Amino acid sequence: KNQVEQSPQSLIILEGKNCTLQCNYTVSPFSNLRWYKQDTGRGPVSLTIMTFSENTKSNGRYTATLDADTKQSSLHITASQLSDSASYICVVSKSPGTYKYIFGTGTRLKVLA
Amino acid sequence: NAGVTQTPKFQVLKTGQSMTLQCAQDMNHEYMSWYRQDPGMGLRLIHYSVGAGITDQGEVPNGYNVSRSTTEDFPLRLLSAAPSQTSVYFCASSYRGGRGEKLFFGSGTQLSVL
Repeated sequence: KNQVEQSPQSLIILEGKNCTLQCNYTVSPFSNLRWYKQDTGRGPVSLTIMTFSENTKSNGRYTATLDADTKQSSLHITASQLSDSASYICVVSKSPGTYKYIFGTGTRLKVLA
Repeated sequence: NAGVTQTPKFQVLKTGQSMTLQCAQDMNHEYMSWYRQDPGMGLRLIHYSVGAGITDQGEVPNGYNVSRSTTEDFPLRLLSAAPSQTSVYFCASSYRGGRGEKLFFGSGTQLSVL
């Protein structure tokens, strides 16, 4: 069973609109949660990293939130741009200093003009 | 500022052939790793290394070998390619230790095994 579940699987929005992507995890113990952006044909690029004690982290138009009690995270994209079209991957690290990461399957976002 | 460099970008193999996927980083990262990405699945760890001379298995190591003779390079060897190894392969690196180390990924190698 996948320990990191993302929803929706895919999403289409119009340029300029906001959207929110969801990530639920069952990984335990939990150290930190990351969001990555993966453009087609490229490797993932880090957007945010949050430890269990942080509940929000921003990177420009991207804002990630974390509720460690309910084991849920969200990535909010404000004023979407065509360049936001990509897959967004939620990644959970099991314990401090570990190099074992659990990857979600991603949400594929398409922004239309 | 090259970051993580992977070669080749694309490769087609016949079943039973062997090959090496190259990965190099210029950030003096101690940690390096190989992942494979398949449709409908999250990235899965194949092998990783926490420093020169040190390697360990990940989630799906069968059919792959690695070595780490220098800090910069971490090649992945397919011993006898099988169609099940058709995938996109990513190399990633980070600084060792700590809670917030950022993973840097290469641009990937798309491998097809016929």
